[in-house]
Amino acid sequence: GAGVSQSPSNKVTEKGKDVELRCDPISGHTALYWYRQSLGQGLEFLIYFQGNSAPDKSGLPSDRFSAERTGGSVSTLTIQRTQQEDSAVYLCASSLRGNTEAFFGQGTRLTVV
Amino acid sequence: DQQVKQNSPSLSVQEGRISILNCDYTNSMFDYFLWYKKYPAEGPTFLISISSIKDKNEDGRFTVFLNKSAKHLSLHIVPSQPGDSAVYFCAARAAYSGAGSYQLTFGKGTKLSVIP
Repeated sequence: GAGVSQSPSNKVTEKGKDVELRCDPISGHTALYWYRQSLGQGLEFLIYFQGNSAPDKSGLPSDRFSAERTGGSVSTLTIQRTQQEDSAVYLCASSLRGNTEAFFGQGTRLTVV
Repeated sequence: DQQVKQNSPSLSVQEGRISILNCDYTNSMFDYFLWYKKYPAEGPTFLISISSIKDKNEDGRFTVFLNKSAKHLSLHIVPSQPGDSAVYFCAARAAYSGAGSYQLTFGKGTKLSVIP
């Protein structure tokens, strides 16, 4: 595709439910990032995938958060047993290689009620 | 511990004047710096970057200056235009972090308003 695509664009879920957020990176980009932006905050790193290497999961805030990247392309971020503090905009980005500029999707706004 | 700091949450500038957005960092391992612009309801858009081996990079109306000894960088926009009104994020990347991870560390952003 022309750019990074994320779905859904908005998600409202009840506390305690699981959610899945999807990211389609730019074709040919080997690196993929997940970030989140809470209200009034900067972008918080969550997880980074590079090719077939083990992902850098150092930013995941708890074991309720997990992500996978299938076939080196599409990525899914899963949040289990959502809490109100998980409400944020979740942003996905991809880059040609890890050390080149990252291009962001439009984000998924998650609201936990 | 905030490794990238943008101490001004907002900035207002008259159209045609210069906008200067500042960013400070604490991690001496950072070797590459980027600026992103973000409009409401959109993802951040890459604007300009600079490697730590340089002290200036220019692209049209946008210039980024890096002062390594002060661990400070700034983005200059001249002349400022109303369409430049957005939130600007400073980001930094360490040469080696984790298992070869190139994660970007972002500041909290500065909201620029260019007044016509």
